[in-house]
This record gives sequence, C-alpha cells and structure tokens, in this order.
Amino acid sequence: EVHLVESGGGLVKPGGSLRLSCAASGFTFSDYTMNWVRQAPGSGLEWVASISGRLTDIYYADSVKGRFTISRDNAKNSLFLQMDSLRAEDTAMYYCAYRNPSVSWGLGTTVTVSS
Amino acid sequence: IQMTQSPSSLSASVGDRVTITCRASRGISNYLAWYQQKPGKGPKLLIYAASTLQPGVPSRFSGSVSGADFTLTISSLQPEDVATYYCQNYIGAPYTFGQGTKLEIK
Repeated sequence: EVHLVESGGGLVKPGGSLRLSCAASGFTFSDYTMNWVRQAPGSGLEWVASISGRLTDIYYADSVKGRFTISRDNAKNSLFLQMDSLRAEDTAMYYCAYRNPSVSWGLGTTVTVSS
Repeated sequence: IQMTQSPSSLSASVGDRVTITCRASRGISNYLAWYQQKPGKGPKLLIYAASTLQPGVPSRFSGSVSGADFTLTISSLQPEDVATYYCQNYIGAPYTFGQGTKLEIK
C-alpha cells in the first residue's frame, strides 16, 4: 500500500525559507513521478511542481518558478520542496502526490507565511 | 492549459443524477482525471483517462468526453458523496486543476 507522509511545515515570515519533506513507502519510488500540490485556506487545488523518477523532467507552476525547488533522494525514498522568498500567498496545505494522475496523496503539511 | 469547471456549487437530493463539467482551453486528448475531496481530507482519485474508474470507486460514478468537454456523472447521489470535486489535466505540465465543484445534499 502506498504511504506518503509530509513534514516540515510551519510558520515563517515573508521572505523566509522552508523545506518540506515527503517520506514515501509501498512502491518503487525511483520509478515514478512525484508532485507537490497545494491548497490555500478555503480555496481549490493548485499544482506546484513535479519531478520524474530519474530526475530528468522537472516542472514548476509559474507562481513558484524561481523561488521553489523540487528534488528527491531515491536512495531514501524521499521527496523535497525547498521554498525560498516566501510570500503570504504561499500560505497553504502542501500535499505530496504520487504519479500523474495522482493515485495517492499524503495528509499534507501546513505552511503559514505571516509576519 | 486552462481548465474551466462548472458549476462552482451544486445542491441536489439523494437519488438525483448529478453532472459536473470541465472544459479544457486546448486539446488534452483523454488526459483528464477527476478527484473527490471531502472536508478535512486529501483528494482521492475517482476517474482517469476521462472515463476509467479507479479500482474501489463505486459504479455510480462515471466519466465521459465530448470534444473539449469532460463530464463527471453521479447516477444516484448518496449522502457520502458530499464533497468538492476537481478535474485535472495531465497531458503535460502545468497539470492544472479546475476550480472545483462543491456538492451538497438538499
């Protein structure tokens, strides 16, 4: 069974940084694309970034391009999202999601950007 | 690619047939998925490839496509179907979602 657990969320000031992690289990991690998807309070889902299993294809939403960096460690079955130059509008629940379309999702980790 | 989903909210009675529509701004073939998100929970994949039901999803859910219009249908609404439903294109990045349809019981 696929299991995804996000961590690393918290309260950060505008302009600050945060690194999210997603621990994956139950599948051959290195074989599959992974995604970060976020949901601002009371809003819909927004795809943030994707990375292919072999790290050959990396994509970002325009809203985070140049500020966020997606990465993965296939040896440790882990996905990461480095978030720099954070803004109030980055406040959201951040989900780790497996494959496209996303067959499994974690429970999410909350990021709050506020002074 | 923009995904335009309608309606934004919907209220229906138990047993009703419910239809939600999603339109892609350009061709995405059948690379369209539907998700269900219940309050306080993460999304759940219902349908992929426009019309293929994810294993374990009740057969009252179905998906179809006509040109650029994709449709999610619930044939007989049940109380446990109260949720917000999203479409998503996955033909290529950006993997945009529709705005969501909040479904309630009358």
